[in-house]
Amino acid sequence: GAVVSQHPSWVICKSGTSVKIECRSLDFQATTMFWYRQFPKQSLMLMATSNEGSKATYEQGVEKDKFLINHASLTLSTLTVTSAHPEDSSFYICSARLVRGDNSPLHFGNGTRLTVT
Amino acid sequence: GQNIDQPTEMTATEGAIVQINCTYQTSGFNGLFWYQQHAGEAPTFLSYNVLDGLEEKGRFSSFLSRSKGYSYLLLKELQMKDSASYLCAYMDSNYQLIWGAGTKLIIKP
Repeated sequence: GAVVSQHPSWVICKSGTSVKIECRSLDFQATTMFWYRQFPKQSLMLMATSNEGSKATYEQGVEKDKFLINHASLTLSTLTVTSAHPEDSSFYICSARLVRGDNSPLHFGNGTRLTVT
Repeated sequence: GQNIDQPTEMTATEGAIVQINCTYQTSGFNGLFWYQQHAGEAPTFLSYNVLDGLEEKGRFSSFLSRSKGYSYLLLKELQMKDSASYLCAYMDSNYQLIWGAGTKLIIKP
């Protein structure tokens, strides 16, 4: 069964509005979660690493003020796309490691397809 | 640097065998992962190789040669449901995953 739950699965919003995406670890504690973005026919791109109780680490080129990440508990991380624009339309996927260890596999949420009109 | 390559698309026949190759170049290496991603869905974990050799898991096997910077995913007894994109990703010295662009596998009856 799924070990990482992501909500919503899809969302359509108007340009200029904000959208919040939730990522929950099911039955395990995730001190670290990862947020990815994937454009059609392209590879996964790591946006940021979400750390419980501290600030997220953003990848180069990702605007931290636009993509707000909050990891307030060991089972929940949220990504808020602020003032969304059509170019933010993409597939956003969160992930976490079920087992401690830097080389353990990532388990992904089902993803959120964001369409900004 | 970070460099990882895999074919964009492959076609195979139901019941057959297909091998998807992945090459990479990196100064630091902590293993290679294969994931399956169906259209519109998130990736699901298939395999992890950190030592040279072949790891077999049912119909799927994954091979790694660290000296050659080369891995392949072998799919046997192909089924229509195997139609998906297959992503390889290596883990660098900082334990960051570096993803390939994925290989779209098309299975024909």
